[in-house]
Amino acid sequence: GDSVTQMEGPVTLSEEAFLTINCTYTATGYPSLFWYVQYPGEGLQLLLKATKADDKGSNKGFEATYRKETTSFHLEKGSVQVSDSAVYFCALNHQAGTALIFGKGTTLSVSS
Amino acid sequence: NAGVTQTPKFRILKIGQSMTLQCAQDMNHNYMYWYRQDPGMGLKLIYYSVGAGITDKGEVPNGYNVSRSTTEDFPLRLELAAPSQTSVYFCASSYSWDRTYEQYFGPGTRLTVT
Repeated sequence: GDSVTQMEGPVTLSEEAFLTINCTYTATGYPSLFWYVQYPGEGLQLLLKATKADDKGSNKGFEATYRKETTSFHLEKGSVQVSDSAVYFCALNHQAGTALIFGKGTTLSVSS
Repeated sequence: NAGVTQTPKFRILKIGQSMTLQCAQDMNHNYMYWYRQDPGMGLKLIYYSVGAGITDKGEVPNGYNVSRSTTEDFPLRLELAAPSQTSVYFCASSYSWDRTYEQYFGPGTRLTVT
């Protein structure tokens, strides 16, 4: 079945450092890929998405590129802020009305 | 739009008690979902609905029931609470015609069973 694997955390960075959170997936066909973010005490918010190979999703300085050849969707940000501290989930879906398949989440902690 | 709303935000139950977690959306989405999130894990699907009157089991349905009498509401019922049901519960919704398959999430209900 479909699955998502993302790097284990926690990831601890200083403000303005470069961030990469790795995500790889196993799925048939061409799923849509997502990054969701969960800030402390809050629900999940969509951070960015990509729906086909070589698409780049971007939002709030975060980027991820849909790489079909390596089945990856790594999340990057050039300069993190303290306010980026959160849990980040990689997820996939390729049919409406079915479950999003989530990775286990990566906790990011940014200090000033 | 309020989006997806959930009540209550927090609840403590004793073993064997029952409760209903409420979920509503005002986006006219036809699909709705219930997930649970356990520590250090991703979300797992409990139940989903593709429209009013139609529901189906997800990956972890045991101990739960749902109903969907309107497009807007999708309550989740716990009949005999057990400690294994301690979790954070998220409701989500989506459009059937959205080919990106994005789902929109509520703020969650944190449930503790003691």
